Amino acid sequence: EVQLVESGGGLVQPGGSLRLSCAASGFTFSNYCMHWVRQAPGKGLEWVANIKQDGGKKYYVDSVKGRFTISRDNAKNSLYLQMSSLRADDTAVYYCARDPDEYGNGWYYFDYWGQGALVSVSS
Amino acid sequence: DIQMTQFPSSVSASVGDRVTITCRASRGITNWLVWYQQRPGKAPKLLGSSTSGLQSGVPSRFAASESGTDFILTISSLQPEDFATYYCQQASSFPLTFGGGTEVALK
Repeated sequence: EVQLVESGGGLVQPGGSLRLSCAASGFTFSNYCMHWVRQAPGKGLEWVANIKQDGGKKYYVDSVKGRFTISRDNAKNSLYLQMSSLRADDTAVYYCARDPDEYGNGWYYFDYWGQGALVSVSS
Repeated sequence: DIQMTQFPSSVSASVGDRVTITCRASRGITNWLVWYQQRPGKAPKLLGSSTSGLQSGVPSRFAASESGTDFILTISSLQPEDFATYYCQQASSFPLTFGGGTEVALK
């Protein structure tokens, strides 16, 4: 059974940093592109970042470029999102999600999602 | 960026009703459009697309189709578990973008 479990969320002050983790199991993690998607309270979904299987290519939404870094450790079956210079509008539930394209460059959608990690940015 | 316009933003319906949700892209996305269902407090769930079909386990009362430049999700006979928010997402190019969502609520 595919499982994605996020951790590392919490309350952080504006300008602060936080690192989210996503532990993957039930599939060969290193074969799949992975994504982060977020959802502000009461709002819709926003894609945040994508990383290829070997970590060599990464894409970001403009609003987080230069502040967030997506990475992965295939030996640990883990995905990460390092967030810095956090702002109030980064407050959201952050979901780790799998791209369904095994081995390829990605089909750019999400077939499995974690339960989400809440990040609150407030003073 | 590709903007996704989804409508209606909300719909009130009864069990057994037929519900149609439409999504339109600001430019061509070559049919790379998928649909998700999100129940309150839960992660989104992939329903499928008109090109790849429905995901395994998704009831056949759900159907994804296209009409011209419109992408359509139809629920043929609404069931109690279908009251949720539905999102479309273009899978054509980065940045990946979602429609604003359609809340299907009980009338």
